[in-house]
Amino acid sequence: EIVLTQSPGTLSLSPGERATLSCRASQSVSSSYLAWYQQKPGQAPRLLIYGASSRATGIPDRFSGSGSGTDFTLTISRLEPEDFAVYYCQQYGSSFGGGTKVEIK
Amino acid sequence: QVQLVQSGAEVKKPGASVKVSCKASGYTFTSYDINWVRQATGQGLEWMGWMNPNSGNTGYAQKFQGRVTMTRNTSISTAYMELSSLRSEDTAVYYCARGRRFLNGVSLDVWGQGTTVTVSS
Repeated sequence: EIVLTQSPGTLSLSPGERATLSCRASQSVSSSYLAWYQQKPGQAPRLLIYGASSRATGIPDRFSGSGSGTDFTLTISRLEPEDFAVYYCQQYGSSFGGGTKVEIK
Repeated sequence: QVQLVQSGAEVKKPGASVKVSCKASGYTFTSYDINWVRQATGQGLEWMGWMNPNSGNTGYAQKFQGRVTMTRNTSISTAYMELSSLRSEDTAVYYCARGRRFLNGVSLDVWGQGTTVTVSS
């Protein structure tokens, strides 16, 4: 079973700053199967990125995904107040990473 | 619009079973997999398994093998997840989510609102 490890666990940043979130797999993952989700308190997760780098419908272009093999990255170019949330990566049909909380500094 | 609507909250005793439903609307139910994901309070997301509503084929996470059953009723566009031999650690919010295959990827693009299952004596 592939294990996804996200880092850091918590990212403390100010609005307008850049956020870089990491997702590392214990073995190679097909990019087609790597997705990123955003979750806010009391809400269901929301799809942000699929296929490692494609934005889902309605997702602002400040969100971008990259990577391949075992190392994947979600970047938020300039944090907006509504971006403070928890972010998860997942290999479709398998486990999620432990999540990264992006909090206001 | 495309949506998944789940059944209401459940309270169960240890050792019992729970069956959560997920009704799809706004799309062809048999064209997309349904996945189940759970989340204990303050914890991360835990993938439980998937079901193909067209064939009924399923795939379960190893952790839940033997305890989870995913089924469907195509006549009412509804998927079900039944978890048996409940214990306190199964207390969580359970989500269904649609698995969608894009041109260059596959992911969970539509989520239900979640169903809270509480296991308590």
